Amino acid sequence: DQQVKQNSPSLSVQEGRISILNCDYTNSMFDYFLWYKKYPAEGPTFLISISSIKDKNEDGRFTVFLNKSAKHLSLHIVPSQPGDSAVYFCAASAPIYNQGGKLIFGQGTELSVKP
Amino acid sequence: KAGVTQTPRYLIKTRGQQVTLSCSPISGHRSVSWYQQTPGQGLQFLFEYFSETQRNKGNFPGRFSGRQFSNSRSEMNVSTLELGDSALYLCASSWGATPEDNSPLHFGNGTRLTVT
Repeated sequence: DQQVKQNSPSLSVQEGRISILNCDYTNSMFDYFLWYKKYPAEGPTFLISISSIKDKNEDGRFTVFLNKSAKHLSLHIVPSQPGDSAVYFCAASAPIYNQGGKLIFGQGTELSVKP
Repeated sequence: KAGVTQTPRYLIKTRGQQVTLSCSPISGHRSVSWYQQTPGQGLQFLFEYFSETQRNKGNFPGRFSGRQFSNSRSEMNVSTLELGDSALYLCASSWGATPEDNSPLHFGNGTRLTVT
């Protein structure tokens, strides 16, 4: 049972436009959500997070939106740059997991930003 | 500030052997987690250690084990290797001091294990 789902395996966007990556979850106990970016042959790099008490968090070009009623979050990248081309993972955590060490990851979305 | 360091980067083993992977967390981080990444299963949580104690464990067989030392460095061991253990093994560290501490995980570049 996949608790965190990224239904789009890939996304292609033109440079300068907005990239929107989506993530759905099923476990209503999740209270903390993160986005990671991963380049080939490297580990995931933390991008941005959001607590369930918020519905939006912004950091530079990256904004994460959380819709708890729909159990949906999205990552917006504006403007998109070719260097943003990578695999993006959505991840979630719940108090039942007790500490920050256990995250449930989605399958990832490969973003390609074309010049 | 140095990041999470994992050694070795690549490893080739044969079925039935055992392997030990090493991870040095970011200085000051006391929580170390291990994840397995495969094309089919994505990133799967293995276990997490804090102050030399295993606090969380994923759904992996007992062949997968780990430990953490007093300096927070961690090792992961896989015994009786199977072909399906071929994967990228990622270590991550965080402050992880309290249950409310939602500090993000910082990952190393992983160890690519190939079992033949």
